[in-house]
Amino acid sequence: EIVLTQSPATLSLSPGERATLSCRASQSVSSYLAWYQQKPGQAPRLLIYDASNRATGIPARFSGSGSGTDFTLTISSLEPEDFAVYYCQQRSSWPPFNFGPGTKVDIK
Amino acid sequence: QVQLEESGGGVVQPGRSLRLSCAASGFTFSSRAMHWVRQAPGKGLEWVAVISYDGSNKYYTDSVKGRLTISRDNSKNTLYLQMNSLRAEDTAVYYCYCGSTGSGYYLEWGVDYWGQGTLVTVSS
Repeated sequence: EIVLTQSPATLSLSPGERATLSCRASQSVSSYLAWYQQKPGQAPRLLIYDASNRATGIPARFSGSGSGTDFTLTISSLEPEDFAVYYCQQRSSWPPFNFGPGTKVDIK
Repeated sequence: QVQLEESGGGVVQPGRSLRLSCAASGFTFSSRAMHWVRQAPGKGLEWVAVISYDGSNKYYTDSVKGRLTISRDNSKNTLYLQMNSLRAEDTAVYYCYCGSTGSGYYLEWGVDYWGQGTLVTVSS
């Protein structure tokens, strides 16, 4: 089973700052990794799929990179609506289609 | 527009059963793999199960094998999760989810359809 770890657990930043979130897989997932955003009381929303492709309607300030075991989600300049929890998920080796434990981006 | 609407959640005693439903509309349900994902209060997302477009193949996370059963009725555009022998650790919001365009992959993130979730609380 592939295990995903995310760091940091919490990222405290101000609007306008750059956010860099990490997801590491216990073994290679090639590029089969996605990033989701979740706000309180809402279902998750897909941001990035296959490591670097923005999902439909996702602003250009969100970008993803990486392959193999190390991945990064970058938010170039935080907007007020970007403060949320972010999860990675893999589809390389399943079941299960594991999620990472999440990174909370909160307002400094 | 695409809609996934879960129902059937509630409070149930440990060891009892519950069946969740997810009514789908606005897309070709019968050609898509479907998933259940859960989230315990204040915790992260946990993938639970997936079923193939025709119901012939089903896969589960280890912690629910033998207790939770995913199924579907394509004539009713409805996904189900039969939950037996419930435990306190099954307490969560349960989401139905579709991440397949009908390409044959169980998940390829070509679409991103989520329900609003239904809360299951297992407590005596």
